[in-house]
Amino acid sequence: AQSVAQPEDQVNVAEGNPLTVKCTYSVSGNPYLFWYVQYPNRGLQFLLKYITGDNLVKGSYGFEAEFNKSQTSFHLKKPSALVSDSALYFCAVRDIRSNFGNEKLTFGTGTRLTIIP
Amino acid sequence: GAGVSQTPSNKVTEKGKYVELRCDPISGHTALYWYRQSLGQGPEFLIYFQGTGAADDSGLPNDRFFAVRPEGSVSTLKIQRTERGDSAMYLCASSLAGKNTGELFFGEGSRLTVL
Repeated sequence: AQSVAQPEDQVNVAEGNPLTVKCTYSVSGNPYLFWYVQYPNRGLQFLLKYITGDNLVKGSYGFEAEFNKSQTSFHLKKPSALVSDSALYFCAVRDIRSNFGNEKLTFGTGTRLTIIP
Repeated sequence: GAGVSQTPSNKVTEKGKYVELRCDPISGHTALYWYRQSLGQGPEFLIYFQGTGAADDSGLPNDRFFAVRPEGSVSTLKIQRTERGDSAMYLCASSLAGKNTGELFFGEGSRLTVL
């Protein structure tokens, strides 16, 4: 079975500083990895994904994530945090056993990111 | 519509009652997913529809939970004999099946409270 772990329930960062939200994964075979963000009173929104290719992937709102196979990690990063980045962030992994077309995801427990003005 | 629409946004019911939650996916999205998110947890997969059929219902917790999508668009999640442990946010998502993008489009959810 595949799983993801988000070791930090809460991350606080000062506005303008770089931020990192951690994620590690466990899968058999090659992982498909994702980050989603949940703003208050809003639905989950896709942020970025790693399928194959370049280990550094760029996504929405200036976020990026680095796939590290040896460390089985997929940490989310941003060079300069904004107050508007405050939200709940979820790492997710795609079930590689699922049939083509079934894109069900296994989510982590989430990390609440708070950017302090 | 422009996005995934879920109704009701909030539902309060009593233990033992029957509940229906509705999801209207993005027009043209043939794949539809239901997830359940308990407080402090990530979303947990319940069921996946490809068109009208439930292609994967491995996440349904027990036979009190059932979902339909009779015309391949709107879906209804049905919960019989509700229990307090069913209290959670129920999320619906849709996607363009076959594109293999991994991008799911989520609705804002239906919060179910069982008293």
